[in-house]
Amino acid sequence: EPEVTQTPSHQVTQMGQEVILRCVPISNHLYFYWYRQILGQKVEFLVSFYNNEISEKSEIFDDQFSVERPDGSNFTLKIRSTKLEDSAMYFCASSELAAGSNSPLHFGNGTRLTVT
Amino acid sequence: RKEVEQDPGPFNVPEGATVAFNCTYSNSASQSFFWYRQDCRKEPKLLMSVYSSGNEDGRFTAQLNRASQYISLLIRDSKLSDSATYLCVVRTGFQKLVFGTGTRLLVSP
Repeated sequence: EPEVTQTPSHQVTQMGQEVILRCVPISNHLYFYWYRQILGQKVEFLVSFYNNEISEKSEIFDDQFSVERPDGSNFTLKIRSTKLEDSAMYFCASSELAAGSNSPLHFGNGTRLTVT
Repeated sequence: RKEVEQDPGPFNVPEGATVAFNCTYSNSASQSFFWYRQDCRKEPKLLMSVYSSGNEDGRFTAQLNRASQYISLLIRDSKLSDSATYLCVVRTGFQKLVFGTGTRLLVSP
């Protein structure tokens, strides 16, 4: 079964540094997403991306965050000037159709970001 | 009121038991509903979509009550492998899915 793959599985960075989290969505999927889950808390929506642009974003997704699809396969989340509270598991997801069409989201294994 | 609200549990049940989880959502315009399962420190995985008419997948049955803004999941004949956190998920925006905090299920021998 095709999978969403994320790298790295664990990223440790110092406060104030920039990190790029990488994702390879399922190849025939058109919609891409980033979610995050702070330890012990719920999964939170960050951003959705379609047709090379952001289609929806949450209030969490401020100027510190950006997403990009630099080529035909990768989908990245960049976090500038990381803060301690950015420590979380970041999940990439993709879906064949828009999330609202009952098309399920397929999640990657996640990248655990630790900001020290 | 939280957008999606669930009892965090844990629900401790013996193997073979039937267990039910409930979820309420605040946005009456919500269109799509799902149950996801999440194992400890793993990614969420879709368990089933929830349809207005109710739907069943093996031992799992999901129900939606739009008037009460209430979703349920019933698990029959619980297995040890059912131990996980069950996430109620609702679409509130064009593509935004809102997750509940999850209900933890522990099935014991």
